[in-house]
Amino acid sequence: SAVISQKPSRDICQRGTSLTIQCQVDSQVTMMFWYRQQPGQSLTLIATANQGSEATYESGFVIDKFPISRPNLTFSTLTVSNMSPEDSSIYLCSGRQGGTDTQYFGPGTRLTVL
Amino acid sequence: SQQGEEDPQALSIQEGENATMNCSYKTSINNLQWYRQNSGRGLVHLILIRSNEREKHSGRLRVTLDTSKKSSSLLITASRAADTASYFCATELNSGGSNYKLTFGKGTLLTVNP
Repeated sequence: SAVISQKPSRDICQRGTSLTIQCQVDSQVTMMFWYRQQPGQSLTLIATANQGSEATYESGFVIDKFPISRPNLTFSTLTVSNMSPEDSSIYLCSGRQGGTDTQYFGPGTRLTVL
Repeated sequence: SQQGEEDPQALSIQEGENATMNCSYKTSINNLQWYRQNSGRGLVHLILIRSNEREKHSGRLRVTLDTSKKSSSLLITASRAADTASYFCATELNSGGSNYKLTFGKGTLLTVNP
């Protein structure tokens, strides 16, 4: 299985600030995605992280709020900008393994905005 | 509404019993994946079943897929207290091209009582 790591694992932030989450995948992954899981809810896709180009955002998510970078095949960042308490969620990075089509998830970043 | 919908929303059983969770979806899929999430943590991949498959096994897990009914089930046999977790199904839609994103159901919270 693919190995995916995220940093930080958790953070508590003040309203109006920004946080950048890092995701590192191993070389088996061909596609990378970012999801949000609000408290007690299921996962919602934020965007597909495209290598070397702008991410593809889902309806309801915009680049100004959630800028994403993927400078190479195995690394991506998600920034949560100008945070409000409504952004308190778990943010998860995932990678799709070429060949098996399996999507593996990182351990998540638990964000609390005060 | 969500592409995948699990039922029941919550299930409480005794250790040693079997647990069955169901998932329904609306549109044609490439594959369906089941995940486990322990409280507030990352997702652990359990099984992927492709649209041309009807049943898969992995240890104490058995997954079935009925594409005519657009439904899947996850059976956990001889449950253990450590199986206590939320279980999610996620569908990868058959939309052509390279659209490999997953759409998640709301999940089933399984509690196994010792």
